Amino acid sequence: KNEVEQSPQNLTAQEGEFITINCSYSVGISALHWLQQHPGGGIVSLFMLSSGKKKHGRLIATINIQEKHSSLHITASHPRDSAVYICAVTTGNQFYFGTGTSLTVIP
Amino acid sequence: DAGVIQSPRHEVTEMGQEVTLRCKPISGHDYLFWYRQTMMRGLELLIYFNNNVPIDDSGMPEDRFSAKMPNASFSTLKIQPSEPRDSAVYFCASSFSAWEQFFGPGTRLTVL
Repeated sequence: KNEVEQSPQNLTAQEGEFITINCSYSVGISALHWLQQHPGGGIVSLFMLSSGKKKHGRLIATINIQEKHSSLHITASHPRDSAVYICAVTTGNQFYFGTGTSLTVIP
Repeated sequence: DAGVIQSPRHEVTEMGQEVTLRCKPISGHDYLFWYRQTMMRGLELLIYFNNNVPIDDSGMPEDRFSAKMPNASFSTLKIQPSEPRDSAVYFCASSFSAWEQFFGPGTRLTVL
């Protein structure tokens, strides 16, 4: 049983498309993280949120605590957005990770 | 700040050898995390420290793995003896108060 489920596992989009990646979790959390891992391997923390919505450039992250669901949106997608996006949650002293969504944006 | 520093960046060793991975967290951060990433299992949390004290090591796969944090600016992850199935990328991350984590570049370990 996975405490964190992401969908889709793989996603291919045309440049300019609006993209949504979903994350559902089954545990009570204190925070949810969205991470980005580029093909080179480095991991970057995109967002950390515990309620509502956060926006950074073309990226938007939302969370619904009642429904235990978060979404990561990318507006006007670009090939440089191609990466693996990982959802992670923390319960305070436990961390759980989704298996990631591999995004490919085609020019 | 230079960010989280890991060394070595790449390590190739033979089965049975001892491997030591090193991490320097961002100054002022009080949490340090060790992760392992493989194609099969994705990203896994191995152990994390708060103020140099190990809090949860339930992710450490077996007794061959050990981690230490002798001071706030240095941590090691040791595998002894190493096995081919330990081949993975090992990430270190640090954070302030267990919030946003900053990841190091990772150490790619290959055990032949």
